[in-house]
This record gives sequence, C-alpha cells and structure tokens, in this order.
Amino acid sequence: QVQLVQSGAEVMQPGDSVKISCKASGYTVTDHGIHWVRQAPGQSLEWLGWINSGNDNRRYSQKSQGRVTISRDTFANIAYMELSRLRSEDTGVYYCVRGADYYYDGSGHYRPRPLNYSGLDVWGQGTTVTVSS
Amino acid sequence: DIVMTPSPLSLFVTPGEPASIPCRSSQLSHGHNYLDWYLQKPGKSPQLLIFLGSNRASGVPDRFNVSGSGTDFTLKISRVEAEDVGVYYCMQALETPITFGQGTRLEIK
Repeated sequence: QVQLVQSGAEVMQPGDSVKISCKASGYTVTDHGIHWVRQAPGQSLEWLGWINSGNDNRRYSQKSQGRVTISRDTFANIAYMELSRLRSEDTGVYYCVRGADYYYDGSGHYRPRPLNYSGLDVWGQGTTVTVSS
Repeated sequence: DIVMTPSPLSLFVTPGEPASIPCRSSQLSHGHNYLDWYLQKPGKSPQLLIFLGSNRASGVPDRFNVSGSGTDFTLKISRVEAEDVGVYYCMQALETPITFGQGTRLEIK
C-alpha cells in the first residue's frame, strides 16, 4: 500500500526550528517528487516547496524561501521539511505529498511534463505545528 | 504567481441534486490543462479527485466531472451524496509556485 507517514505534532516557541519527517512506503522517493503543503487554521492550502525524485533539485515558494529546507534520505525512504525562525503565523498543519517533478523550461518557469503528471496523488496524514510563546 | 480566483465559499445542496463549483486561473494553460481538484473531508487530509483538467483519480466515482478549458473550469457533481461533503480546492500545477483556490465548502441541506 502506497502511503506517506509523517512525524507527530510539535509545539514550538517563536524563533525555534522544526523538522518534520515523511516516510514513504509502497514506493521509493527516487521515483516521484515530494511536495510540502501547509494549511493554517481555517485557511486554504499553501505550497511550500518540492524536492526532485532523481537529483535532489529543490524549488521553494518565494514566501518560504530562506526559512524552509526540504531534504531526503533515499536509503531510509524518508523526506524532511525544516522550517526555521518560527513565528505564530506558521501555526498549522503541514502535509508531505507525492507528486510530479518540475523542470526548468528555459524561459523562467518550472513546469511538469504532461506524461509524468498525475496530480498530488498521495498525501501524508499531516503534522500539526503550533507556535506559541 | 498564478492566482486562482475565489469561487463561492459555500454551497448547500440537496442529496441527489447536482452541484457546480467554478474555478478561474489568471493564466492560460500551455497546451495541457494543468488544473487539479482536491476534496478535503472534515478532519482529513486533502485527496486528489481530478488531475490534468478532466482525469478522475483512481476510485473517484464517475459522477465527478470537469468542464471548461483555458482559464475557466467547473467541477460538476451529477448527483450529490452525503459522503461528498467537505471543502473542494482547485489547484494550478502549470508552474511553481503551485497555487490553490480558497476552497468551496459543500454542505448537505
């Protein structure tokens, strides 16, 4: 069974860093990209970034750039997302998601390839991060 | 960034009746409709419903369909069932950053 299992809830203080793990089973992280999406309480979904399946290439949203680091351990089949310099507005649920890789198209954009695209098809159960003093 | 124009925040539907949820993107596709739909049931992670414009994900009933192309799409549920309640999100996957609509909550009358 293909699934992503994330680490447990975290309660952090402002200024701390948090690192969330995401263990893949039923497939290997070298076959598909891993995306990270977060959801603030009562809000929509926000894409944070992605790590490539093949070569550890990463791409972050401009908003999260500089504070988010996505990594992986291919031997353990685990992906990680670390968020530093936490603030109260980082409170929310963080999801790792299996999805397509993105490629630079030479004109300033990273785009997927249609033959490889099948949506964000497997979601982790979510990790709640609470940032409070 | 590509902006997904807000769709109705809430929709109240009688079981057995149809429902339509619109979604508009600020940018045209490039030959492929990189527009997905996700359903987040209460207390659960989002789940993929539709990818690449009109392709149902595995296990998704055929009462879920999408019409439209370019920048305007509509998710249509032919006959709403109680299990369809939740928040529906459209998402553009054309380029990074991937962006989501604000979501439409479907509730049963």
